[in-house]
Amino acid sequence: DGGITQSPKYLFRKEGQNVTLSCEQNLNHDAMYWYRQDPGQGLRLIYYSQIVNDFQKGDIAEGYSVSREKKESFPLTVTSAQKNPTAFYLCASSVQDFGSPLHFGNGTRLTVT
Amino acid sequence: GESVGLHLPTLSVQEGDNSIINCAYSNSASDYFIWYKQESGKGPQFIIDIRSNMDKRQGQRVTVLLNKTVKHLSLQIAATQPGDSAVYFCAENPETSGSRLTFGEGTQLTVNP
Repeated sequence: DGGITQSPKYLFRKEGQNVTLSCEQNLNHDAMYWYRQDPGQGLRLIYYSQIVNDFQKGDIAEGYSVSREKKESFPLTVTSAQKNPTAFYLCASSVQDFGSPLHFGNGTRLTVT
Repeated sequence: GESVGLHLPTLSVQEGDNSIINCAYSNSASDYFIWYKQESGKGPQFIIDIRSNMDKRQGQRVTVLLNKTVKHLSLQIAATQPGDSAVYFCAENPETSGSRLTFGEGTQLTVNP
């Protein structure tokens, strides 16, 4: 089955540590995205990539970094500079064109203490 | 900046009733709209979409209505079932934003047996 796989589902880290969240897709989509979701709130865009080896900041990129070395993979690193990293992180992909729905993974819940 | 918002954060209905979830948007340049369903602990799931050259689109038990005059989007769910209980998000996509979506804050739908 084609889809988006995020791992792990739950992640725990100590404050001050960097952590990398995995996102893999086999939908052959060019575009990939990372969103953050806080309890009772909508989705906010962190980073997105429309093509391999290129990515752009979203609305809340501070404290995060990404890479896009392969079409299928778009890992997100939450750095120690992110002031409030505990959240639900969602990865998505889509075809490149306007008017295409995003397909989401099932998220990674990160807890930093 | 302009954003998508919802009229009500929660909606409670009886099983078998029809549900209507509303969404107001402020970006008059938005050309494409999507409704997503998100169950607890999971990623958003695509329900239905509509382009700005349409005012109504029907799916299986769902209908999306678009009123561009008042910048209003609604999702109607017929014969609501307990499995419909979830958070519903609308999202908009101006053509100038490529494939980027802007999400509303969501409405929690609860279906009572």
